[in-house]
Amino acid sequence: QQQVKQSPQSLIVQKGGISIINCAYENTAFDYFPWYQQFPGKGPALLIAIRPDVSEKKEGRFTISFNKSAKQFSLHIMDSQPGDSATYFCAATRYSSASKIIFGSGTRLSIRP
Amino acid sequence: GAVVSQHPSWVICKSGTSVKIECRSLDFQATTMFWYRQFPKQSLMLMATSNEGSKATYEQGVEKDKFLINHASLTLSTLTVTSAHPEDSSFYICSARLAGGPADTQYFGPGTRLTVL
Repeated sequence: QQQVKQSPQSLIVQKGGISIINCAYENTAFDYFPWYQQFPGKGPALLIAIRPDVSEKKEGRFTISFNKSAKQFSLHIMDSQPGDSATYFCAATRYSSASKIIFGSGTRLSIRP
Repeated sequence: GAVVSQHPSWVICKSGTSVKIECRSLDFQATTMFWYRQFPKQSLMLMATSNEGSKATYEQGVEKDKFLINHASLTLSTLTVTSAHPEDSSFYICSARLAGGPADTQYFGPGTRLTVL
């Protein structure tokens, strides 16, 4: 029940295209869903996050879509750029407690110029 | 934004030796710090959670006698890999959470690459 399932494992998108990464969770106690971006040899960095009181959050080219009833959320990267090439991890946790963050398995995104 | 540093950024050691990795929150106080391990092309695996001034809580399957964690102050936690072996080679990442803060106040360090020969 603690798992966060992420797909696809890898993704190749042409420059300017839309990258879509999907995640699903099981634990309905989770109320904070962040996405992290990690470049090779670096630690993960928070990219964007959503709480379940909204169905969508947009920050620049990055959008999270959230479906509470289906327990699914996804990251959309619009106008994908070569600099977006990285590994993306979805995650879930409880916002207000010192709960551990449960990470998805990661998606290696490659943007072709 | 808040900054978490790790030292060293990479280390190579001989089998059987011990290695200490430091994690510092540079501009905020962190009552809770987390240590992760990441193998190539895999996700982050939580090893332990440390709270300032108390013993760390280890995840199932993590040897507490092998991975010693000390969180002596609100800005510093250390991970010591004792009697390191080649299978301990990995990327170790710490994160620090603002004292009393919610999940979005948890910040990750840049990681430490450990190679055991």
